[in-house]
Amino acid sequence: GAGVSQSPSNKVTEKGKDVELRCDPISGHTALYWYRQSLGQGLEFLIYFQGNSAPDKSGLPSDRFSAERTGGSVSTLTIQRTQQEDSAVYLCASSPGVQETQYFGPGTRLLVL
Amino acid sequence: AQSVTQLDSQVPVFEEAPVELRCNYSSSVSVYLFWYVQYPNQGLQLLLKYLSGSTLVKGINGFEAEFNKSQTSFHLRKPSVHISDTAEYFCAVSPQGAQKLVFGQGTRLTINP
Repeated sequence: GAGVSQSPSNKVTEKGKDVELRCDPISGHTALYWYRQSLGQGLEFLIYFQGNSAPDKSGLPSDRFSAERTGGSVSTLTIQRTQQEDSAVYLCASSPGVQETQYFGPGTRLLVL
Repeated sequence: AQSVTQLDSQVPVFEEAPVELRCNYSSSVSVYLFWYVQYPNQGLQLLLKYLSGSTLVKGINGFEAEFNKSQTSFHLRKPSVHISDTAEYFCAVSPQGAQKLVFGQGTRLTINP
């Protein structure tokens, strides 16, 4: 079946612009996660959604970062007023439920000039 | 808080040789343990996981790992590697009852013919 998909695959933006990254989880998966992979910091957890519960935002690095998940499916990660240090690969994962295997998408490579 | 240390950033080996990728973790609570692989320009794929039970865990592509609670280690092994195993390998932990993965910095495995 279809895996986790992310769009765009690559995004180049100018410092100070806002960007939106999209994640389509595997159908039927109730849990959705965002991670960031950067050269300096490795792989970092950003945010987690589970069903209709309040998301766990404990990994968001600043208030410029936000995410929403509409209808329990598609998720959008928004970065406002991008900075060069936001350049990274943003990975989305989904799982069938809590404490179950996370399946990762191919990522969105973001470059902030 | 949890942390994961992958002791080798790069491991070069010859084809058909055995390999061990080392992983140590620190946590004040019980954790689940994972190894993920990332092939060039692809997302993360689960190799294997330890949740409970037998401390020797077998995964895909001939990999296995052993959980050692006293040494807080979860080393990954393969008795004979192939060129196709060239990739970056990530060890991760998830606190029991929590959802996020905490990753190590990764080990780049290079297979030489």
